[in-house]
Amino acid sequence: GQSLEQPSEVTAVEGAIVQINCTYQTSGFYGLSWYQQHDGGAPTFLSYNGLDGLEETGRFSSFLSRSDSYGYLLLQELQMKDSASYFCAVYMTTDSWGKLQFGAGTQVVVTP
Amino acid sequence: GAVVSQHPSRVICKSGTSVKIECRSLDFQATTMFWYRQFPKQSLMLMATSNEGSKATYEQGVEKDKFLINHASLTLSTLTVTSAHPEDSSFYICSARARGAQETQYFGPGTRLLVL
Repeated sequence: GQSLEQPSEVTAVEGAIVQINCTYQTSGFYGLSWYQQHDGGAPTFLSYNGLDGLEETGRFSSFLSRSDSYGYLLLQELQMKDSASYFCAVYMTTDSWGKLQFGAGTQVVVTP
Repeated sequence: GAVVSQHPSRVICKSGTSVKIECRSLDFQATTMFWYRQFPKQSLMLMATSNEGSKATYEQGVEKDKFLINHASLTLSTLTVTSAHPEDSSFYICSARARGAQETQYFGPGTRLLVL
């Protein structure tokens, strides 16, 4: 079957570093994406890893190991505004269109 | 950047009525649009994939006669919840994907539907 696993909640203080792990088991895997969603808002795209390795975008970095079916999102220099849900999503090409399958989400709580 | 709008943002309706939700890509042509449903504190569940000019592809367990999808143009897709019931109350979110950017979806702000 298809599954993605990520922690349900992480709490950290401002300025800290948080790593959100994501393991997956899917068919038609093409790449791993990360999305941020604030309460009541729409998901916003953070990063995409199609190849193994680290992708860095400002304070956020994302890593993928296809052989381990594992990836992570690294949030550095945490700010209060980073409090949100973070979803890993597998980009699957099981049909001609391709689609995303989302994990359950990780609630990140940043405290002063 | 790529902007996707949804209308309405919030709707309250009586049980048995139909509700139409519009999703528009404002500054790019969306070859594919997706419709998701999200319950509070839960993940996004893909309902269907919509391609301009062709019939939508529904995920397993999603009733195509209940959730009608029309992808009229490269910038507009609509989701109609027919004969809505309280259990259809949810947060409906669309996303759009541009040609040449297969891996990235841009999400609309969502529509919160409450069926009384």
